[in-house]
This record gives sequence, C-alpha cells and structure tokens, in this order.
Amino acid sequence: DAGVIQSPRHEVTEMGQEVTLRCKPISGHDYLFWYRQTMMRGLELLIYFNNNVPIDDSGMPEDRFSAKMPNASFSTLKIQPSEPRDSAVYFCASSPGLAGAPLYEQFFGPGTRLTVL
Amino acid sequence: EDQVTQSPEALRLQEGESSSLNCSYTVSGLRGLFWYRQDPGKGPEFLFTLYSAGEEKEKERLKATLTKKESFLHITAPKPEDSATYLCAVLRNRDDKIIFGKGTRLHILP
Repeated sequence: DAGVIQSPRHEVTEMGQEVTLRCKPISGHDYLFWYRQTMMRGLELLIYFNNNVPIDDSGMPEDRFSAKMPNASFSTLKIQPSEPRDSAVYFCASSPGLAGAPLYEQFFGPGTRLTVL
Repeated sequence: EDQVTQSPEALRLQEGESSSLNCSYTVSGLRGLFWYRQDPGKGPEFLFTLYSAGEEKEKERLKATLTKKESFLHITAPKPEDSATYLCAVLRNRDDKIIFGKGTRLHILP
C-alpha cells in the first residue's frame, strides 16, 4: 500500500480564497482524521470520521472550515474564506481502529503545507 | 485544563550518549498515552501506546515507560538516525479526545 496520500503537498493562496485539501486513506482503514500543526499550538485534531461518518468535529476552529468524506477512499478539508492565521501544515491520518480503539495507531500522510498571504 | 507538556524542547546528544525525554500530563481520565516520531517534512510515525502506570514498551534503542503523571522515552546509545522530533499524546477517557504535546526535537551528533 502507498500509505496515506495527500494533495497538494504545498498550497499558497491569498486571503479570502477557497482552499481544498485532499486525502486518500489506507485501504481498509475505517477511521480518518484531519490535523493541523503549527509551531505555536503543536498538532491539533480537527475532525475524525468512522466509516465515512463524522464522529467528532469539536476541533474545527470555526465555520470557515468544513470536511467531507463522500466514500471510503477520499476526504476533503475545505477552508472558505481562507485567512493568514490558517497557515499551517495539515495532516490526514487513517487508522484500522484495532480493538475498538480508533486512536490506537494512526498512519499519517506527508501533510499539506498551506500558506495564506 | 487538560494538557500535555514535553521537556526539554530540544536536546543535543553525542552518538552513544543515553538520555530520556519527558512527557508530563494532566488529564481527567487517561485511556492511553502515545509516542510518535516525526522527521522533518513528514507526518508523525507511531511508536508506542501505553495504557496503565507501570507499563513499559521497547523498540530497538527506545523504551517508553508510564506513571500516573508522566511518561519517559528512554534512548539508549542513540545513533544519528534517531534524530527527529518525538511527540507525546494522551487520549482522554470521557470523550476520546486526543491531546498532543509540542514535542522534543532530538539531535544526535556523530
């Protein structure tokens, strides 16, 4: 398996523009997670899905952020409109949910580095 | 407020010089504690999960231990390829919320 795939790897956009980040999880993994990493705040969980259904979105910073998982092999994180403070590295991760523990072992993608000017 | 604090923020060691990284936590009900390794420009890579005080896990030159207030990641005779940022995270029992520390940047000099 190729692991978790994220695209694009780098995104530079201007304030106010819409940004869409994409993720393909590892085949067979039932859980998918979106994280944001910054120097100031570290790694933060934004939202996670189980079998394509959003389970916990309490980490989503505000209504400008939305995430979807239309099928088991694809998810998107959208920011509209984007702001400079959204600049960060966004990671997608997936997990097989061993022993009923979805956060037991997560496999992370390479991340998308977002810069909002 | 539940939080995870890692220390030191950065650590430089000579090859072969053993040391420990600390992860102290305050959380209302711990379900599990995780250690991850992160190389520059990459996503975190899972290392260990610890569930209860007294538990230990080992992998090559790394050993993780857990008490009721903190976890240690012991590195024995490290090599330059062990250089990375090591992240600690806790999973809160009441709502399955995961909280990451900011990490320790480890640099092993040859």
